[in-house]
Amino acid sequence: EPEVTQTPSHQVTQMGQEVILRCVPISNHLYFYWYRQILGQKVEFLVSFYNNEISEKSEIFDDQFSVERPDGSNFTLKIRSTKLEDSAMYFCASRAGMNNQPQHFGDGTRLSIL
Amino acid sequence: GEDVEQSLFLSVREGDSSVINCTYTDSSSTYLYWYKQEPGAGLQLLTYIFSNMDMKQDQRLTVLLNKKDKHLSLRIADTQTGDSAIYFCAEAFRGGGYQKVTFGIGTKLQVIP
Repeated sequence: EPEVTQTPSHQVTQMGQEVILRCVPISNHLYFYWYRQILGQKVEFLVSFYNNEISEKSEIFDDQFSVERPDGSNFTLKIRSTKLEDSAMYFCASRAGMNNQPQHFGDGTRLSIL
Repeated sequence: GEDVEQSLFLSVREGDSSVINCTYTDSSSTYLYWYKQEPGAGLQLLTYIFSNMDMKQDQRLTVLLNKKDKHLSLRIADTQTGDSAIYFCAEAFRGGGYQKVTFGIGTKLQVIP
């Protein structure tokens, strides 16, 4: 069964550094998402992406965050200048174009900011 | 706004049925999900139900939806030790054709051998 893949599984970065989290959505999917889960807290929506543009973003997704689909397969989340509070598990998800299809999640990238 | 509530912890004996409950607030939800998360792992989609359905059964899993009370439940029959995990209830809100998922805090299911 096709699945969403995320790399790396664990990223350790110094505070203030830029980080790029990578995702390969399921190949025929059209909607792409990023979520994060701070340890012990709920999974929170960050951003949705469709037709090469952001369709919705949460308050968390400020100017330090950006997303990109640089080619036909990858979907990336960039954090420009990481803060300690960015430490979390980041999940990528994708969904097919039809309305009655669910989101499928990757295994996540654990981001640790030192 | 959207909000999803679920209890934090459930403990059952192996072989018994588990029932995990969830309430949600957004009446315009299109569908509701159950995800399973094992320690250190990602979110595995277990099952989902459209908001115009009352029940869905998939092998050992039964989902019941009470739209009037905005109550969703997941029943796992013949619970096994491998079912021990955190179970997330989530609702999908379709805004402008897109879909944003709101998650509950997760219910930790402990299966006692």
